[in-house]
This record gives sequence, C-alpha cells and structure tokens, in this order.
Amino acid sequence: DTEVTQTPKHLVMGMTNKKSLKCEQHMGHRAMYWYKQKAKKPPELMFVYSYEKLSINESVPSRFSPECPNSSLLNLHLHALQPEDSALYLCASSQPGAGGTDTQYFGPGTRLTVL
Amino acid sequence: DQQVKQNSPSLSVQEGRISILNCDYTNSMFDYFLWYKKYPAEGPTFLISISSIKDKNEDGRFTVFLNKSAKHLSLHIVPSQPGDSAVYFCAATPTTSGTYKYIFGTGTRLKVLA
Repeated sequence: DTEVTQTPKHLVMGMTNKKSLKCEQHMGHRAMYWYKQKAKKPPELMFVYSYEKLSINESVPSRFSPECPNSSLLNLHLHALQPEDSALYLCASSQPGAGGTDTQYFGPGTRLTVL
Repeated sequence: DQQVKQNSPSLSVQEGRISILNCDYTNSMFDYFLWYKKYPAEGPTFLISISSIKDKNEDGRFTVFLNKSAKHLSLHIVPSQPGDSAVYFCAATPTTSGTYKYIFGTGTRLKVLA
C-alpha cells in the first residue's frame, strides 16, 4: 500500500481566514513533505519533516505554518494568505535511507483558492 | 539555474508505438532518479526509478535508461496506450546529502493518439 491521503480535496478561503490542510500516511514512513504546484509548473518543495522534526523550510512565508503531530500526520496551517498562494498543495512521504534510495509517494493534493 | 531539464514540453505518439521522454541534469551529485506521471488536479504517481549504479531499469511497459557520462535519462513506454496520456516529470536527488530534496524537471505532456 503506497497511499497518502489529503483533506480537503478543495478549499476556498478569504484572505483573513485561518484554515488547515491535513495529510496522513500509514506506510510507516518517517519523512513527510509539503509541496506547492502551480499550473504547468513542477512541484516546489516547501517543508520537509524527518522523524517528526522540521528539517527543511524552503524560505516559505510565515503565513504557512507546518505541523507534524505524529509520524503519520502532517498539517499545514494557513493564515492571511494572498491570492497568489492559490495552487495545488501536495503532501508526500518517504522512508529515509531505505537502501540508499528514497522514493517519495504523493497524495492527491488539495486545490486551494484564495479570494 | 534549472538543474533538471525536460526540453520537450509536449509529445504526441500513436497508440501501440514507443514513447520516449527525455531528461537532462547538470548536478553530478545526483545519484537517484525517478519518473512520475501526473493527471490534471491529481498528485504525481510514482512510475519507476533508477540508481546511478545502474544504467537500465525495467518495469512492465516502462524502462528507464541512465547515461551518466551524458547526464541524461530517458523513459521508454512501449506499447503506448491512451491511458498513458498525462504530464511526465523526471526528478533527481543526491541521496548521499541526506536532505531528501527532489529537483523536478518542468514536465513533458504526452498525448497518445488512438
């Protein structure tokens, strides 16, 4: 089973709203990722959690706040977003150091629209 | 600086023929390479990967070839099927760095014509 689930599938929010995106995996993976993807562009890495600790923050604005409550869950808290933050937000997971390779498995994404 | 490049934004192939998607990279530290397939408004689906210790990996209709000296990899799909129509991304990572960062190419849109 290589399933990563994400909720909600779609989200529309105003610039003053606070919302959260959720991601879950039950593959026992210990690395989890948030990516942002705009239309016709490749996924852009935002954050990496390794063993529930934030290991990479790709200079993401503070209006995006990640959280990893446990090894299966990853949240992305959103506050005071801008219309240009509208995109597909992807979660991925992998097992670090698995034989020297590290395949990331992606969830279906949350389509976020900021009005 | 685009470290991973897919120079063909689109490709059309007849059903049953071979599809060849290409990817070039510049960073010699990359040692693990992957191909993902993506439908609109969905997450990328892992297809196949190859480690730099190999030059070929095969999985069913999908074969990935790696030419380290040319810093080039390709994905062959044979025979191509209409359901293969999607955007294909190659990705590369330096596994020895321990950063778990993938660098994605810009994607190639494959259209398989029935």
